[in-house]
Amino acid sequence: QSALTQPASVSGSPGQSITISCTGTSDDVGFYNLVSWYQHHPGKAPKLLIYEDSRRPSGVSNRFSGSKSGNTASLTISGLQAEDEADYYCCSYAGRSTSVFGGGTKLTVL
Amino acid sequence: QVQLVQSGAEVKKPGSSVKVSCKASGGTFGSYGISWVRQAPGQGLEWMGGIIPIFGTANYAQKFQDRVTITADESTSTAYMELSRLSSEDTAVYYCARVFVDYSRNWRWVWFDPWGQGTLVTVSS
Repeated sequence: QSALTQPASVSGSPGQSITISCTGTSDDVGFYNLVSWYQHHPGKAPKLLIYEDSRRPSGVSNRFSGSKSGNTASLTISGLQAEDEADYYCCSYAGRSTSVFGGGTKLTVL
Repeated sequence: QVQLVQSGAEVKKPGSSVKVSCKASGGTFGSYGISWVRQAPGQGLEWMGGIIPIFGTANYAQKFQDRVTITADESTSTAYMELSRLSSEDTAVYYCARVFVDYSRNWRWVWFDPWGQGTLVTVSS
């Protein structure tokens, strides 16, 4: 159960788009269509953004989108806003009722 | 709308145990699971384990297999995470989260939402 691999940091200017990658293996990300993404502002509870690779829960802005190719999932945030500055985590189901998170990516809005 | 309310901060000595609770407010666990995730200072989220309260079956990350026990009391809609043999490396914020379980697809865990507010556990001599 090794952590999924995410870039430590990404940045973008307001209005731009950024993409965060999340690389796992053929035992987790590549096998199950069960990658979810979470936004985490320090001191607050994480918030679900994307589930099942690309589905968006009701109430989540359509500026957030997810995709996957092979063992790598991606989260794209379009039209960057100041309030998007946070930590972002991917998570994948890994079989036998277990899950694994990515190391997290710090998004800086310049 | 269900909210998860966790117990308060704890300060523990190395070698001791801690038990953190997570109560569903405004509803019950239903057929959802409850998972525990921690975040050590300056580190990312780390999945520890989870339980499906209506079945009482718990699963754990290999890293914590011999030190963590996750239980749930359906009558009070409260889940618990007990971590033993604490060391300074266990200093972290511990979160509980509701898990949507897809029973039609071999009980796969789909998403975590909502999350509790977090419980800071400090291990210090």
